[in-house]
Amino acid sequence: DAGVIQSPRHEVTEMGQEVTLRCKPISGHDYLFWYRQTMMRGLELLIYFNNNVPIDDSGMPEDRFSAKMPNASFSTLKIQPSEPRDSAVYFCASSPTPRSQYFGPGTRLTVL
Amino acid sequence: DAKTTQPPSMDCAEGRAANLPCNHSTISGNEYVYWYRQIHSQGPQYIIHGLKNNETNEMASLIITEDRKSSTLILPHATLRDTAVYYCIVRPPTNAGGTSYGKLTFGQGTILTVHP
Repeated sequence: DAGVIQSPRHEVTEMGQEVTLRCKPISGHDYLFWYRQTMMRGLELLIYFNNNVPIDDSGMPEDRFSAKMPNASFSTLKIQPSEPRDSAVYFCASSPTPRSQYFGPGTRLTVL
Repeated sequence: DAKTTQPPSMDCAEGRAANLPCNHSTISGNEYVYWYRQIHSQGPQYIIHGLKNNETNEMASLIITEDRKSSTLILPHATLRDTAVYYCIVRPPTNAGGTSYGKLTFGQGTILTVHP
């Protein structure tokens, strides 16, 4: 199994641009999570899905952030417009049951 | 969510046991204790979890006190590759319908440095 796949691994963009992060969960996992990690705030849960349906998006910072899961094998996290304070490492994780989560390698986002 | 308290950093000699403590004095009866670790530049990795009883797997052992107010993660023979940030997390249970997931709230963790 390839594990959770995230792309791109690194993204550098300018303020105001749209950013799309992608995630392919482990096959058969019904739960998918998006986290953000910064030095100041640590690791924060943004949103999670169960069977492609968003369950809890209370961690999404503001309307500039949106996440979708059109099918069981793909999810996106979009930031529009991006701001420098969005710079962080974004992790996607998946889980087969409400227990251990398997994290991807992360996407390091830098907004100039 | 129950809050956890961990020492900010610990050292351990290679080959020795690493014992990482965690206090969770406000834990409720149906909340689980989870441990994850994050090696530099990687995503967090699940280690082990437990409710009341001590648990052991191929990676580590988890000792939970009888009153459940604290726990200890034990890496029996630490190696240099175990150098990482270790997170102790108290996780609420899922609801009866199974559609609500107990969130994992990551704190600051303990930076474990294993030295030769």
